[in-house]
Amino acid sequence: KQEVTQIPAALSVPEGENLVLNCSFTDSAIYNLQWFRQDPGKGLTSLLLIQSSQREQTSGRLNASLDKSSGRSTLYIAASQPGDSATYLCAVLSYNTDKLIFGTGTRLQVFP
Amino acid sequence: DTGVSQDPRHKITKRGQNVTFRCDPISEHNRLYWYRQTLGQGPEFLTYFQNEAQLEKSRLLSDRFSAERPKGSFSTLEIQRTEQGDSAMYLCASSLGRLGQGTTNEKLFFGSGTQLSVL
Repeated sequence: KQEVTQIPAALSVPEGENLVLNCSFTDSAIYNLQWFRQDPGKGLTSLLLIQSSQREQTSGRLNASLDKSSGRSTLYIAASQPGDSATYLCAVLSYNTDKLIFGTGTRLQVFP
Repeated sequence: DTGVSQDPRHKITKRGQNVTFRCDPISEHNRLYWYRQTLGQGPEFLTYFQNEAQLEKSRLLSDRFSAERPKGSFSTLEIQRTEQGDSAMYLCASSLGRLGQGTTNEKLFFGSGTQLSVL
């Protein structure tokens, strides 16, 4: 059974810092891994999707890496801004399934 | 708006009452998913549909829960005899096709959710 863990659970940083969010999964037989952003009381917005054959994906100040063999992914946020404050969730799509399995999320606060 | 829409956004009910939520997926999306999210946790899979067929149900979906997608378009999730433990955000998502296809099919698009509070 696939299990997804995210560390840290919460993070508070001053504006401008570069930061790394971690995601680990127990079963490396995955199609892809996605990072989502969730604002309080809202739905999820997809940020980056990494195929199992890829090592990383970039979008603006966001960079996500994937090490499938070790069951790890990181989301790197450069030059953080207060507008980045949200919960960040990673989710994996395992072989022979049709559903995403989510981690518990990292709640990020960036203060001015 | 062409995204996934959910109604209502918020629902407050008393324990023992029945509630029904509606989800309208993105037009032409064949797959529709329901997830539940409690405070401080990630979304947990409940069930999903391929057109009108319900293909999988989680063990989280007790006998009090029922989901339908009668015409392969919108879906409803009903909870009977609500309990305080049912309080959560209920999220709906849709995709054009099967996840993991290696095209844009593999992305799930989420609605804003229905926040249920059972008093």
